[in-house]
Amino acid sequence: GAVVSQHPSRVICKSGTSVKIECRSLDFQATTMFWYRQFPKKSLMLMATSNEGSKATYEQGVEKDKFLINHASLTLSTLTVTSAHPEDSSFYICSARDGGQGFTDTQYFGPGTRLTVL
Amino acid sequence: QKEVEQDPGPLSVPEGAIVSLNCTYSNSAFQYFMWYRQYSRKGPELLMYTYSSGNKEDGRFTAQVDKSSKYISLFIRDSQPSDSATYLCAMNDLGFQKLVFGTGTRLLVSP
Repeated sequence: GAVVSQHPSRVICKSGTSVKIECRSLDFQATTMFWYRQFPKKSLMLMATSNEGSKATYEQGVEKDKFLINHASLTLSTLTVTSAHPEDSSFYICSARDGGQGFTDTQYFGPGTRLTVL
Repeated sequence: QKEVEQDPGPLSVPEGAIVSLNCTYSNSAFQYFMWYRQYSRKGPELLMYTYSSGNKEDGRFTAQVDKSSKYISLFIRDSQPSDSATYLCAMNDLGFQKLVFGTGTRLLVSP
């Protein structure tokens, strides 16, 4: 159990275009999902916390107008990188909190999406 | 000072060795402690989670938490080349959802 999927796994786009990344919890309901960014050989950088049915909470320094997050259902959150530029190229990973485990607060991660902006 | 400190490695060991991975932290409010394994170009995979102080064992893996010293460890027995990956510690306090991660330790197990 506790499987999180992401789509697409890899995307290459031209500078100025927008890219949408989907994150799905496949076998549990995720009241909270998280979006991370990871640079090569670096740890995870939390971008935002997304609660179902409400606005995402962004970390300091993350542009909310550039990284649009929507958490429309208990199993789906999307991250849209708007007007992407080469500096947005990175590995984007989502995680979902399995709230059904009470206070365990376990987060399960998706496989990641590699974004390359030309 | 970072909230969570973790040696980035790499840590190189021969197959069959016992591996010890460690993190220290500064926030005494942290209650939940997790270890994730991340293979190159993949998402992190949850290995172990523990609550408060003590030990927890799962197969070849043992997670240890010493809250008095603000120190957590992950031990891997009989290490295998397939254990070669980056190991991330993560933690948070009760009711606060955001996880704080260490930088990750890269482990290399040679045959």
